[in-house]
Amino acid sequence: GQNIDQPTEMTATEGAIVQINCTYQTSGFNGLFWYQQHAGEAPTFLSYNVLDGLEEKGRFSSFLSRSKGYSYLLLKELQMKDSASYLCAVQEGGYNKLIFGAGTRLAVHP
Amino acid sequence: ETGVTQTPRHLVMGMTNKKSLKCEQHLGHNAMYWYKQSAKKPLELMFVYSLEERVENNSVPSRFSPECPNSSHLFLHLHTLQPEDSALYLCASSQEYPRGTDTQYFGPGTRLTVL
Repeated sequence: GQNIDQPTEMTATEGAIVQINCTYQTSGFNGLFWYQQHAGEAPTFLSYNVLDGLEEKGRFSSFLSRSKGYSYLLLKELQMKDSASYLCAVQEGGYNKLIFGAGTRLAVHP
Repeated sequence: ETGVTQTPRHLVMGMTNKKSLKCEQHLGHNAMYWYKQSAKKPLELMFVYSLEERVENNSVPSRFSPECPNSSHLFLHLHTLQPEDSALYLCASSQEYPRGTDTQYFGPGTRLTVL
């Protein structure tokens, strides 16, 4: 079956670093996406990994291990505006089909 | 307008009503998607259109009827909905061809409430 797991909620302090994990079991794999979604707003693209390793983009980095079915999103120098849900999604194949996890709601405190 | 737009942003309808959701993308993409987002559940893919042809229907009840008249516009026609259909309906677009793996960009969604 298809399964994407990520923690439901996390809390962190402003200025700190937080790692949001995602594990997946899907019938196909063409890549993994991370999206950020503020309450009541559209998901916005953060990162894409298709090869093993770390992709860095400013304060955000994303890591992928295909053999382990595992990814994480690393957020550095946390800001209050980073309080949002973070969605892990696997591109399963054909027609750019994305399978989403339920999302991790991150609360950043002063 | 830029990106992906959706109208209306909020919709309240009775179970016997017929309404339509509209999505428009201004990104020059050739694939469009409808997703349903219910509280505390993963985003569920409903329909995929690629080059204006429906290529995925993810076991969606027939009370939801999509229409893609051209590569920039996508509609979701609603009729005789149930209260459990209340959710956020998100539209997305991407460049499907020639690469087939491009990022999907989402609209702001329509918050639907069925009474």
